[in-house]
Order: sequence, then C-alpha cells, then structure tokens
Amino acid sequence: NAGVTQTPKFRVLKTGQSMTLLCAQDMNHEYMYWYRQDPGMGLRLIHYSVGEGTTAKGEVPDGYNVSRLKKQNFLLGLESAAPSQTSVYFCASSYSPRSSYEQYFGPGTRLTVT
Amino acid sequence: AQTVTQSQPEMSVQEAETVTLSCTYDTSESDYYLFWYKQPPSRQMILVIRQEAYKQQNATENRFSVNFQKAAKSFSLKISDSQLGDAAMYFCAYRSSNAGGTSYGKLTFGQGTILTVHP
Repeated sequence: NAGVTQTPKFRVLKTGQSMTLLCAQDMNHEYMYWYRQDPGMGLRLIHYSVGEGTTAKGEVPDGYNVSRLKKQNFLLGLESAAPSQTSVYFCASSYSPRSSYEQYFGPGTRLTVT
Repeated sequence: AQTVTQSQPEMSVQEAETVTLSCTYDTSESDYYLFWYKQPPSRQMILVIRQEAYKQQNATENRFSVNFQKAAKSFSLKISDSQLGDAAMYFCAYRSSNAGGTSYGKLTFGQGTILTVHP
C-alpha cells in the first residue's frame, strides 16, 4: 500500500517550458487536491477533484490545469512555466470531505523555474 | 472565507520540556474541524492531532494535546516531554464541515511555525 505518490520529486524548468506533475493514490479515494507551499504562506489550494472526470478551481488556479481521467490519478499541468511558480507542490487525497476524514499527502515535488 | 494565523514563525524548546504553539482562525461557521500537521525536513506532511469543533473536550494524542477555545477562535498545540524528533515545521489547518459549496473538504493552512528542539 503506497498511499499517495508524486512524480517527479524534483524538477528544474526554464521559463516558458511545460510539464506535468503526476499524483497517484491507491486508497480508492474520491477526493484529490493539489496544493502549493511557499515560505511564510503555508499551503494553498490550486485545484481539486471530487471524482473521476471532475475538477474545480481552488484559491490559486492561474497558470495551472488539471485532469482526472482515472480515479487514482490527478495530473497538474503547467503550460508555460513562470518563476512565480517556483514552489513545492503537494498532492493529497481523502475518502470523503465529511467528518474528520484525514487528508493523506504525497511526498511533494520541488519545482524551480529559472 | 476562513483564515488561519500562526503568529510564531519560530519557536525553540529544550529536550524533555514543554512547548506551546499558537494558532488562531477566523470563521463564521459553527461546525468545522481543526488539525495540526507536522512537516519534518523530509517534507512529508504528517497529521499530529485533530479536533472537531462540536466537541468541547480537548483532543490528546500521547505527548500532544490541544487547547481549543471556540469562542476565542484559538487552537494551540502543546507538546510535552519534547524530543529531538519533534523538530519540524508545524501547520495549523482548518476544514469546513460543509462538504459542498466551495469547500469540498479543502484545508486552509496557517503560515507555519518552525520548532527547534535543543538537546
């Protein structure tokens, strides 16, 4: 049982390049989330998904796109990377948003845009 | 919108002593959930403790306990008998109990507090 995994763990991009971050979970969770972590700002929600084939915007969605073609995968795309997108990205999943169900986090991806 | 504030960017404690990390939040909701997450240098986010707002009793998990003051919108974390392995960044987080609307279980995080444990 791997939980939540993220690929890659580190990446350096040049401004204008594109990339996709992959999140995979093996817990059959319906809800998945992408957060970014910046110094002094905690984690902020980029996009989220409440089930296969559905996605929605979070607090800071600009410059990112997502897809959830399979229940276990949640992809985060950067079409044209900018230095402001230098951050650590976390994927999380949850069985349900109700009650006190825990969100399980992946190990994070450190992205640097030069 | 809900906000979470951690006013202590850094804290330090001697091994075996007790330390308290502060967290305040702002919400107009009456039912919600509060969490403390630990992030060691490995970056992995680890759930330390959770509190349901409708419960008056403060949550405890071994050496970790909270002081939940609903009226004051305060949610502090107390770490007793501090250990070197407790050194990490600690995040306070809020989650609405409203599963629909614009919430969908998202977590709203504070800025984090870096805890240093001195031997």
